[in-house]
Amino acid sequence: EVQLEQSAAEVKKPGESLTISCKASGYAFSYYWIGWVRRMPVKGLEWVGVIFPDDSTIRYSPSFQGQVTISVDKSINTAYLKWNSLKASDSGMYYCARRIGADFRRGGMDVWGQGTTVTVSS
Amino acid sequence: QSVLTQPPSASGTPGQRVTISCSGSSSNIGSHTVNWYQQFPATAPKLLIYSNDQRPSGVPDRFSGSKSGTSASLAISGLQSEDEADYYCAIWDDSLIRWVFGGGTKLTVL
Repeated sequence: EVQLEQSAAEVKKPGESLTISCKASGYAFSYYWIGWVRRMPVKGLEWVGVIFPDDSTIRYSPSFQGQVTISVDKSINTAYLKWNSLKASDSGMYYCARRIGADFRRGGMDVWGQGTTVTVSS
Repeated sequence: QSVLTQPPSASGTPGQRVTISCSGSSSNIGSHTVNWYQQFPATAPKLLIYSNDQRPSGVPDRFSGSKSGTSASLAISGLQSEDEADYYCAIWDDSLIRWVFGGGTKLTVL
């Protein structure tokens, strides 16, 4: 079965660092783009960025560029989303999702992780 | 507000046909293909339609998508109570250089 398993919910203080993970199974991890999407109660769904595991090509949304770091470890079929210094505005539900097709600007996200809730509060 | 405009709500009775619109611009819908997602409370989104009108395996043919110019639509025929969910359109935007989502439409089955 194709699936993405995300790490557990996190509660952090402003200024702390955080890495959340997304472990893939059931398919050739290296050859599908993996993206991150944030859901916030008022702002809806926002695209964070995407990575192609085979060569670690990354594309960030301009809104998230410089705010987060996306990476992968092909040896364990896992993608990561990292913050060096969290802000309260980083709070939200973060989903990883596999993207269909060779071009990350096309196709849909056909397999989703269950989501990781990030809460940043003093 | 969102780059893609969806009605905040839609409703229908069981068996009816409902359509949800998604209005964009030349930099997104006018240039690329549209995807639609279904999301139930406290669960991850599910891909319903990709490339304007293609259904992933397992999605009932009651769900269909179309695109014309800078607008797209999701149609649900033979409405069922289990279709009550939030629906989002999504597409790449050449001007913003990122994927954009509509604000979502909450579908209520009366």
